[in-house]
Amino acid sequence: KAGVTQTPRYLIKTRGQQVTLSCSPISGHRSVSWYQQTPGQGLQFLFEYFSETQRNKGNFPGRFSGRQFSNSRSEMNVSTLELGDSALYLCASRTGMNTEAFFGQGTRLTVV
Amino acid sequence: KNEVEQSPQNLTAQEGEFITINCSYSVGISALHWLQQHPGGGIVSLFMLSSGKKKHGRLIATINIQEKHSSLHITASHPRDSAVYICAVPLSSGGGADGLTFGKGTHLIIQP
Repeated sequence: KAGVTQTPRYLIKTRGQQVTLSCSPISGHRSVSWYQQTPGQGLQFLFEYFSETQRNKGNFPGRFSGRQFSNSRSEMNVSTLELGDSALYLCASRTGMNTEAFFGQGTRLTVV
Repeated sequence: KNEVEQSPQNLTAQEGEFITINCSYSVGISALHWLQQHPGGGIVSLFMLSSGKKKHGRLIATINIQEKHSSLHITASHPRDSAVYICAVPLSSGGGADGLTFGKGTHLIIQP
């Protein structure tokens, strides 16, 4: 059974650009959540999608957005990149609420 | 919003020692997650538990719902157990929200 796949694994972008990250959940998992990990703030919740609907959003500016497609694959987008957006972005898939979370390997974004 | 406190933040031990990592949270939860993160970023789910105790190999996780406290134990520790261990709980006790909030992690080093 394939795990959670995140692409790309590494990304370097320039300030002001935008970026799109992709997450393919485990087959049959309808919940996808996104997290940002930085050395200073640790792991922080970005948003969670279930069956194409955003159910919850963390405390991040509107430059951070996401969506989920009918096949449960999810994308997150960050517009007008800032240096502080440099982080490891992780997604996790679950079958539903209160079930085990399976994480992808993450996308390491560097903004220069 | 749930707050998660983990201790210790750093732990260095000798191979074979019994390891305990503690996690406390502020709001009643349905389930708690213990995660392991190795250098390079990938996060692996070790346990999800809502009551009592679970065991997997040399790892044991316990939870006391009334005291809002959980512990992760490693018996006969080995250098390959060296990693960051992270406790995570649902963002809130209410229904609908399915994101996780995390402790800052325990950086464990097992020396041969």
